[in-house]
Amino acid sequence: QQQVKQSPQSLIVQKGGISIINCAYENTAFDYFPWYQQFPGKGPALLIAIRPDVSEKKEGRFTISFNKSAKQFSLHIMDSQPGDSATYFCAASISSGGYQKVTFGTGTKLQVIP
Amino acid sequence: SAVISQKPSRDICQRGTSLTIQCQVDSQVTMMFWYRQQPGQSLTLIATANQGSEATYESGFVIDKFPISRPNLTFSTLTVSNMSPEDSSIYLCSVTRGGGYTFGSGTRLTVV
Repeated sequence: QQQVKQSPQSLIVQKGGISIINCAYENTAFDYFPWYQQFPGKGPALLIAIRPDVSEKKEGRFTISFNKSAKQFSLHIMDSQPGDSATYFCAASISSGGYQKVTFGTGTKLQVIP
Repeated sequence: SAVISQKPSRDICQRGTSLTIQCQVDSQVTMMFWYRQQPGQSLTLIATANQGSEATYESGFVIDKFPISRPNLTFSTLTVSNMSPEDSSIYLCSVTRGGGYTFGSGTRLTVV
């Protein structure tokens, strides 16, 4: 019930295209849904996050779409650039013991080709 | 967000030896987290470290194998003990504020 399923495992997109990564969860107690971006040799970095009372959040070229009834959320990267090539992790977290206990998805390796 | 310095960034170790990884945060934090990331895989929580108390280990991880110290609110160490090739992985420390997590750059460990 704590799993977060992420797809696809890998994704190749042309420069200027839209990259879409999908995640699904089971535990309706999750109350925070962040996305992390990880470049090779670096730790994951928080990219954008959403709470379940909002259906969409946009920051620049990055948008999270959230469907509470379907227990699904997705990351859209508009006008994808080669510099966006990285591994993306969705996550879901729940308040526990004074902090957010997080469960990570399995990751999507995105390659944006010129 | 917090800035985390982690070292060493990488190491190659002989099996049977131990390696201690250090994590320094630029501000005081109550909880620090240690993760393992195997090549091409997601992040697995090893343990949560609170200052002044014993670390809390996740299922599959034990204190004898991964002892953790948390001497103050800005510093923690993780030791990987009696290493085997199966311990080859990236180890990351992390802190959380406001829901999101900040990670160090990780320690890439290769056991030969």
